[in-house]
Amino acid sequence: AQSVTQLGSHVSVSEGALVLLRCNYSSSVPPYLFWYVQYPNQGLQLLLKYTSAATLVKGINGFEAEFKKSETSFHLTKPSAHMSDAAEYFCAVTPWGGSQGNLIFGKGTKLSVKP
Amino acid sequence: DTEVTQTPKHLVMGMTNKKSLKCEQHMGHRAMYWYKQKAKKPPELMFVYSYEKLSINESVPSRFSPECPNSSLLNLHLHALQPEDSALYLCASSHTGVGYEQYFGPGTRLTVT
Repeated sequence: AQSVTQLGSHVSVSEGALVLLRCNYSSSVPPYLFWYVQYPNQGLQLLLKYTSAATLVKGINGFEAEFKKSETSFHLTKPSAHMSDAAEYFCAVTPWGGSQGNLIFGKGTKLSVKP
Repeated sequence: DTEVTQTPKHLVMGMTNKKSLKCEQHMGHRAMYWYKQKAKKPPELMFVYSYEKLSINESVPSRFSPECPNSSLLNLHLHALQPEDSALYLCASSHTGVGYEQYFGPGTRLTVT
């Protein structure tokens, strides 16, 4: 079965530093890939999605993610962290050929940003 | 407009109460979802509606009863809940088909006393 692994349940960076949040998927056929952000006591907001059009995907708030088939990875990056980036980040996949609503989430990574 | 709205924002109910959660979207999406999210965990899918018909029920206890009155509205009726049902309940919507992104509402924080 398809699974998603987010390495690091908690990542802490200094303001202005590079943000790197890791996500690996398990299938041999690349799935649809998504990154969502959840601020405290709020719903999930879509940051970006990969649907095979381009390997480097740009999202909102300065985030981008690179799809690497050879590494089955879809890591999320941002060149310079801002205090407002502190939140929970979820990587999610829908398997190619999966069913409606089959959005499989990773366990999440909490990003802290130090002043 | 990419907004999904949910009411109420917070709900406290006793184990014998009956209450309902409401969700609305005006993006023309024909798929709508209910998720349950416990603290420090990812969302767990509960129900999927496609074209106003229930297509997925992830073995959810019958004390949760979903309803989709029309293509814009989704309700979750609650009855005889248990304290362990306390969680953030999220509604989402998307276009039908595989691979479309889901848009989430802000959630209802439910506390069962």
